[in-house]
Amino acid sequence: QVQLVQSGAEVREPGSSVKVSCKASGGTFISSAFIWVRQAPGQGLQWMGRIVPLLNVLNYAQKFQDRVTFTADKGTSTTYMELSRLTSDDTAVYYCARRTGYKIDYWGQGTLVTVSS
Amino acid sequence: DIQMTQSPSSLSASVGDRVTITCQASQDISNYVNWFQQKPGRAPKLLIYDASTLETGVPSRFSGSGYGTDFTFTISSLQAEDIGTYYCQSYDNVAVIFGPGTRVETK
Repeated sequence: QVQLVQSGAEVREPGSSVKVSCKASGGTFISSAFIWVRQAPGQGLQWMGRIVPLLNVLNYAQKFQDRVTFTADKGTSTTYMELSRLTSDDTAVYYCARRTGYKIDYWGQGTLVTVSS
Repeated sequence: DIQMTQSPSSLSASVGDRVTITCQASQDISNYVNWFQQKPGRAPKLLIYDASTLETGVPSRFSGSGYGTDFTFTISSLQAEDIGTYYCQSYDNVAVIFGPGTRVETK
């Protein structure tokens, strides 16, 4: 059974950065594609981008492309999402999820990032 | 860019009722539509993929249909545990596109 376990909640000041991890188990990490999705309080789901560790493929949503970075550690089956120049609008729950073909079949539990001075 | 719209934005129904949600894409997306259920404080859960295929372990009261630009999601007999928000989702090349969601409540 595939599991995605994310790092814990974070509080950051405006202008700083945050790095969220997503550790995969039970599946084939290296050949999987992982996406990052965020959800602001009371709002819908917003795609941030994807990473395919095997192919070193990175795709970022235009809204975030100048301040988000995805990385992967193949040795620990972990992907990371780092978001910089945080503002209060970045307060949200951040999810990683696995995309298999056209399915998005497994999700992490979510990481709440709060941006506040 | 592909846009996904959903209707209604919210609904209230009684246990046992048939519930239908529609999703419309701004251009032909073949059958590349997934449906998710999200309960408060939880991650989304895949219910239907490829417009009409039930994900393993999902109750058969959930179903989906459609092709091209118009899609429908149905709960044949609403249960109390079905309350939550439902999202349709597709793709615009690499990008993942979500509909705005439909909040389902019980009367």
